[in-house]
Amino acid sequence: RKEVEQDPGPFNVPEGATVAFNCTYSNSASQSFFWYRQDCRKEPKLLMSVYSSGNEDGRFTAQLNRASQYISLLIRDSKLSDSATYLCVVNHKDSNYQLIWGAGTKLIIKP
Amino acid sequence: EPEVTQTPSHQVTQMGQEVILRCVPISNHLYFYWYRQILGQKVEFLVSFYNNEISEKSEIFDDQFSVERPDGSNFTLKIRSTKLEDSAMYFCASSVSTGTSGNTIYFGEGSWLTVV
Repeated sequence: RKEVEQDPGPFNVPEGATVAFNCTYSNSASQSFFWYRQDCRKEPKLLMSVYSSGNEDGRFTAQLNRASQYISLLIRDSKLSDSATYLCVVNHKDSNYQLIWGAGTKLIIKP
Repeated sequence: EPEVTQTPSHQVTQMGQEVILRCVPISNHLYFYWYRQILGQKVEFLVSFYNNEISEKSEIFDDQFSVERPDGSNFTLKIRSTKLEDSAMYFCASSVSTGTSGNTIYFGEGSWLTVV
């Protein structure tokens, strides 16, 4: 089983819609959780950390469900510029806190 | 805004040749990393470096690879005797502290290596 699993997509979504995707992780001792965004052939960029109580940053909301071992990302009022691959990233003591990456979910926002 | 810079942006090399990828981390950062991403695949951790020595490395980072901080600013990844499967985007990254605190890691734009 992969440590971090994501639906590869692509998710094709009309501009202005709300889209959500999940990520599951296998190590119950995972400690920190992040969503990164990666444009084609570019470097990953931190979108937001995910906190236990859930957190929001503008149109983006992240949730953590430790019991079911998944995190989610919700994007409201999607923009064309949101088109990218969204990477779920975790770390834990077993990895000496090095980042463990999901393969990403591709999102395409259509006009 | 400070950024991690990498050179070259793209390099084509023949199989068996040595390659050196260069990085200048953000100046006040203490932890440096190399990651690899094969086209269409996930980002993979290679190595972390702190206080002039390797602090952590993955199974990918075998004897073919080495890292060095030759002066106060550069951080290099050397790949000896490149293989076709080394073709990938190599990202350098740096952070103020380690990932234990969820500290933000900043990535360079990457060096695309093609081995032919």
